[in-house]
Amino acid sequence: DAKTTQPNSMESNEEEPVHLPCNHSTISGTDYIHWYRQLPSQGPEYVIHGLTSNVNNRMASLAIAEDRKSSTLILHRATLRDAAVYYCILRPLIQGNLIFGKGTKLSVKP
Amino acid sequence: GAVVSQHPSWVICKSGTSVKIECRSLDFQATTMFWYRQFPKQSLMLMATSNEGSKATYEQGVEKDKFLINHASLTLSTLTVTSAHPEDSSFYICSAERREGTGELFFGEGSRLTVL
Repeated sequence: DAKTTQPNSMESNEEEPVHLPCNHSTISGTDYIHWYRQLPSQGPEYVIHGLTSNVNNRMASLAIAEDRKSSTLILHRATLRDAAVYYCILRPLIQGNLIFGKGTKLSVKP
Repeated sequence: GAVVSQHPSWVICKSGTSVKIECRSLDFQATTMFWYRQFPKQSLMLMATSNEGSKATYEQGVEKDKFLINHASLTLSTLTVTSAHPEDSSFYICSAERREGTGELFFGEGSRLTVL
């Protein structure tokens, strides 16, 4: 399985944008880039996913590098409820397993 | 949005007993369900993948006779921890993929097992 590399932790101020980076230099052509987040003592929550083009939804935006070897999850205005561990995961096109790495723990300061 | 529910959300049991955890997709049919385990301050670790009507595929190092998985219908999968021991105490999380989904997985709230 292709691996991802994320910073262990990041800090943000409330109502400011947050850019969470992810490196995946061994990504294959059919790997989707998924982002999930997990609040303490809860199951993970789907955030966004994409293949090649940038993606936007009500939660976040996903910016994918042209060579697809890195991506950035963008929270446009961080709130205290966005404090969580964010996981960047590669998933094969044809229903592969979702293998979690260590993720980035995001802290949001009021 | 799609909802996955787990039951019980927490359970305490004596060593040697068996515990069953249910995972239900409430508003969609799930072709595939995944079971994860998470120890404190660690990431999720995939235990097994189950498809409706067929045997589960277990990850390396996960004992299939200890962690029994049944996926009897498109909306229900169960994980039974047999002869539980204190080292089996963990947070167990299931996830489900929608039959006609677009690739995202939906996760349950998790079940915290404590074995005394």
